[in-house]
Amino acid sequence: SQQGEEDPQALSIQEGENATMNCSYKTSINNLQWYRQNSGRGLVHLILIRSNEREKHSGRLRVTLDTSKKSSSLLITASRAADTASYFCATDARGADGLTFGKGTHLIIQP
Amino acid sequence: GAGVSQSPRYKVAKRGQDVALRCDPISGHVSLFWYQQALGQGPEFLTYFQNEAQLDKSGLPSDRFFAERPEGSVSTLKIQRTQQEDSAVYLCASSWSGSSYEQYFGPGTRLTVT
Repeated sequence: SQQGEEDPQALSIQEGENATMNCSYKTSINNLQWYRQNSGRGLVHLILIRSNEREKHSGRLRVTLDTSKKSSSLLITASRAADTASYFCATDARGADGLTFGKGTHLIIQP
Repeated sequence: GAGVSQSPRYKVAKRGQDVALRCDPISGHVSLFWYQQALGQGPEFLTYFQNEAQLDKSGLPSDRFFAERPEGSVSTLKIQRTQQEDSAVYLCASSWSGSSYEQYFGPGTRLTVT
């Protein structure tokens, strides 16, 4: 079963705009990770945020985590055509092995 | 350095055939994971190895699925008597240790059962 739910399911924006994706999950976690998947490069790790962290930055990416609401957001600033992909949040749940992925947000950047 | 590799990249099997999918993890990675990804869905966990020990196989959908990693490096996922519902992309990932670290994914094997 899939724990995470990304919102929205699909998002289309103009190049240069910011894109925000949200993720909700159900159980207590050790960490939450965001991955990107496109046909060219497969599934690629973007960023990991631990349960005791609230915000993390990496280049044009900003991730927040609210464990009280069991939710996370991924912000991509100054989007580029190459950012077109599906984005998944994945949780490392306490007591579980492996990651639990959501269904993903399909992001399209219009040139 | 070399990433995670999987072979074959594509496999077409007739219903009832057995298939074997191979994963070569990143050298030195202790942990190895198998996931199944149906079209339009996120990956779903199948099984987890720490070195050669299979510590979790709770995600394997039936006893037709079997995985091994005999020397703690290369892993094989075997599906016996394939069914149409087994059609999916099978992803292998490795990491330094468990899910506390980022996982490096292979390109996947797309299995189509006809």
